[in-house]
Amino acid sequence: EAGVAQSPRYKIIEKRQSVAFWCNPISGHATLYWYQQILGQGPKLLIQFQNNGVVDDSQLPKDRFSAERLKGVDSTLKIQPAKLEDSAVYLCASSLSGGGYTFGSGTRLTVV
Amino acid sequence: GIQVEQSPPDLILQEGANSTLRCNFSDSVNNLQWFHQNPWGQLINLFYIPSGTKQNGRLSATTVATERYSLLYISSSQTTDSGVYFCAVPSGGGADGLTFGKGTHLIIQP
Repeated sequence: EAGVAQSPRYKIIEKRQSVAFWCNPISGHATLYWYQQILGQGPKLLIQFQNNGVVDDSQLPKDRFSAERLKGVDSTLKIQPAKLEDSAVYLCASSLSGGGYTFGSGTRLTVV
Repeated sequence: GIQVEQSPPDLILQEGANSTLRCNFSDSVNNLQWFHQNPWGQLINLFYIPSGTKQNGRLSATTVATERYSLLYISSSQTTDSGVYFCAVPSGGGADGLTFGKGTHLIIQP
């Protein structure tokens, strides 16, 4: 089966600019997650979708981050405006309900 | 929220050696996952192991849920085993989001 697809692979932006990341989960996986991984740390959950509804966004900085999952398939994560501390790898994962995760390759964001 | 502690934080071994990585968690959980992050950043799911023991080739994992810990065993290490090993447990609150430990950074030298 195809894996979790993410794009772009790398992105460099200036602070206060906006950026968007895209994720296509494994076909049939109802649950989709966005994680932020800062260098040297474990991933931190930003938001979880079940189909196209938000299950948990308690750790999403909603003043600058937004996410959507249209038609319960693809998802986009947006940051506007970006700050220096947003430099990280943004990982998308999907799972069958209650099952193991499959992660995408991630998008490495550098904010300068 | 739930706390996840992994040990050791760093481990350097020669090719062919065996190793045991530990994960302690602060509250009851209904599942636990082990991941390997390779030097290129890709996170690979190794085990989904809420309890008991599972084996996959040279790797095996044991979770003792009642004592709130899990162990990952790597036998006959190869250089391709290098990377960071994370364990992760559900954060709670009814959702499936995971809380990750800080990881064990494993280096296998030829």
